[in-house]
Amino acid sequence: AQTVTQSQPEMSVQEAETVTLSCTYDTSESDYYLFWYKQPPSRQMILVIRQEAYKQQNATENRFSVNFQKAAKSFSLKISDSQLGDAAMYFCAYRSPNYGGSQGNLIFGKGTKLSVKP
Amino acid sequence: GAVVSQHPSRVICKSGTSVKIECRSLDFQATTMFWYRQFPKQSLMLMATSNEGSKATYEQGVEKDKFLINHASLTLSTLTVTSAHPEDSSFYICSAPPLGVNTEAFFGQGTRLTVV
Repeated sequence: AQTVTQSQPEMSVQEAETVTLSCTYDTSESDYYLFWYKQPPSRQMILVIRQEAYKQQNATENRFSVNFQKAAKSFSLKISDSQLGDAAMYFCAYRSPNYGGSQGNLIFGKGTKLSVKP
Repeated sequence: GAVVSQHPSRVICKSGTSVKIECRSLDFQATTMFWYRQFPKQSLMLMATSNEGSKATYEQGVEKDKFLINHASLTLSTLTVTSAHPEDSSFYICSAPPLGVNTEAFFGQGTRLTVV
């Protein structure tokens, strides 16, 4: 079974600075998808960024980028120029590929609570 | 992006009563929907997978008679918490991957259930 580990329960960053959230995972599959979700106090799950395992290039979305190390099974999230609105819980998630029409659920890490200091 | 509507967003019910939570995909079809449960300050744990036209698949340890799931159409799945007890109080959230989309699923807004 696949597992996702986030070893940082809480992180803090100064506004405008850069912060990196860690995530490691365990799987025997060669193809899969990785995600970072943001959950603000409203508890709505918001997709931040996704990475297909077959792609070597790290995904980027504006101020958000990932460092995907497939061999090490590591998938960290870097937030640049941190803003107050970035404060939230961040969940790393794993998803198996879609075979035979079945669509896999997400396996989540325990989350990292990010605080942004003004 | 695609929209998943979940309601109610909050519900308070008395112990022993049943509560129904709806999850609708508004602008796409979903043969599968996932129901998660999130305890305070914890992660999302998959409870069950809802399949249109067939029985739901429950995760180990989830009581299928307590958490009834019905996937009546390609756009609607419901979760009914039967004979609710205070320990069922939690945040329930659904997600639905659009048909043919092999990447992401979209989440409902979640339902905070409080059983008193």
